[in-house]
Amino acid sequence: DTAVSQTPKYLVTQMGNDKSIKCEQNLGHDTMYWYKQDSKKFLKIMFSYNNKELIINETVPNRFSPKSPDKAHLNLHINSLELGDSAVYFCASRPDNNSPLHFGNGTRLTVT
Amino acid sequence: QKEVEQNSGPLSVPEGAIASLNCTYSDRGSQSFFWYRQYSGKSPELIMSIYSNGDKEDGRFTAQLNKASQYVSLLIRDSQPSDSATYLCAVLNTGGFKTIFGAGTRLFVKA
Repeated sequence: DTAVSQTPKYLVTQMGNDKSIKCEQNLGHDTMYWYKQDSKKFLKIMFSYNNKELIINETVPNRFSPKSPDKAHLNLHINSLELGDSAVYFCASRPDNNSPLHFGNGTRLTVT
Repeated sequence: QKEVEQNSGPLSVPEGAIASLNCTYSDRGSQSFFWYRQYSGKSPELIMSIYSNGDKEDGRFTAQLNKASQYVSLLIRDSQPSDSATYLCAVLNTGGFKTIFGAGTRLFVKA
């Protein structure tokens, strides 16, 4: 199946821990994104990579570090997790600058 | 002013009625506009893209764009209970690097 896939689907962890979320797309898209959706359902862009190069870095705490080993993968590492990091994190991709986003199924992160 | 504004709702319509969802945006250079539907606990799925002024129809859905007024809308005809979801308006910023989302409008279709 062609898709954007994220792992894990659910992540429950304690404050202060470090965790990673992985994303892979087999759509052949050049651009990948991380979005955060908070409890009020607002989707906010965090990062974007185009062909392994960082092109968007919104005002995100530097505890969040994206990494793109190749254009099909975009991972998100979060250090020293805080309660406010609890949210659903969506990976997305698109082929060019006019196209809509294709979303992964999301990772629900709960920090206790 | 928020970059993309939507009425958060909830909007409640009876089955078979027309649901009208509205969105305004602030970036005058935006050229690409999208409507996504998101069911609870699921990811957003694209239902309409619109790039030119006027109407674009796809089945029961019609998107309307007025760039002069910086306004996008989505009409859902013959609304069904299965249309109950949050509808997200999304706008590509000038240059096309960022897709910016509104806060979403919750729609309830009553059987």
